[in-house]
Amino acid sequence: GESVGLHLPTLSVQEGDNSIINCAYSNSASDYFIWYKQESGKGPQFIIDIRSNMDKRQGQRVTVLLNKTVKHLSLQIAATQPGDSAVYFCAETSNSGGSNYKLTFGKGTLLTVNP
Amino acid sequence: DGGITQSPKYLFRKEGQNVTLSCEQNLNHDAMYWYRQDPGQGLRLIYYSQIVNDFQKGDIAEGYSVSREKKESFPLTVTSAQKNPTAFYLCASRHRRSGAFFGQGTRLTVV
Repeated sequence: GESVGLHLPTLSVQEGDNSIINCAYSNSASDYFIWYKQESGKGPQFIIDIRSNMDKRQGQRVTVLLNKTVKHLSLQIAATQPGDSAVYFCAETSNSGGSNYKLTFGKGTLLTVNP
Repeated sequence: DGGITQSPKYLFRKEGQNVTLSCEQNLNHDAMYWYRQDPGQGLRLIYYSQIVNDFQKGDIAEGYSVSREKKESFPLTVTSAQKNPTAFYLCASRHRRSGAFFGQGTRLTVV
């Protein structure tokens, strides 16, 4: 999983398995979180988001879990496919300073799916 | 097509030169962002703008400058003061309280 301050972590899974990618954040004022997928040489793509008044949100094959007590976010990908191979980033915004436009990214996790 | 467009895709700069990267969006988003990405690294925020004629420094603003004269446009200038400009530059835009949409990036190389 991902941890701020370390070089890009990696996760390797078999096709068809479930993947869990983790993200820790430190700003207790963060109130909106987003997961992105980035393929090599391309811009990040939005996957799913979650607001701080929720602890779980589901999309198509993806689920995001938020644990505000320990400031932890996870992305679960069901039945992982080779096309899911990419770098995954979490991002956060907060209401500090009266604005929630600043958008800060974590370091990312490289997911490799083996056929 | 609605979206966010960065140009050029590849850019080469001689040492000591200023270069400007273009970012245009037709999504009617208020906020725009510039990030820098180095190989194997995450996205670091350079500058962001919440509204026309206003912008804020991010975490690594030194050696960069921006302008926001129009809602649709947020160009980034990499100045000669930026000593290590070779990187992948990403522009994004978003509405308040929603996710950001990214362009396809500009790869800048110093030659």
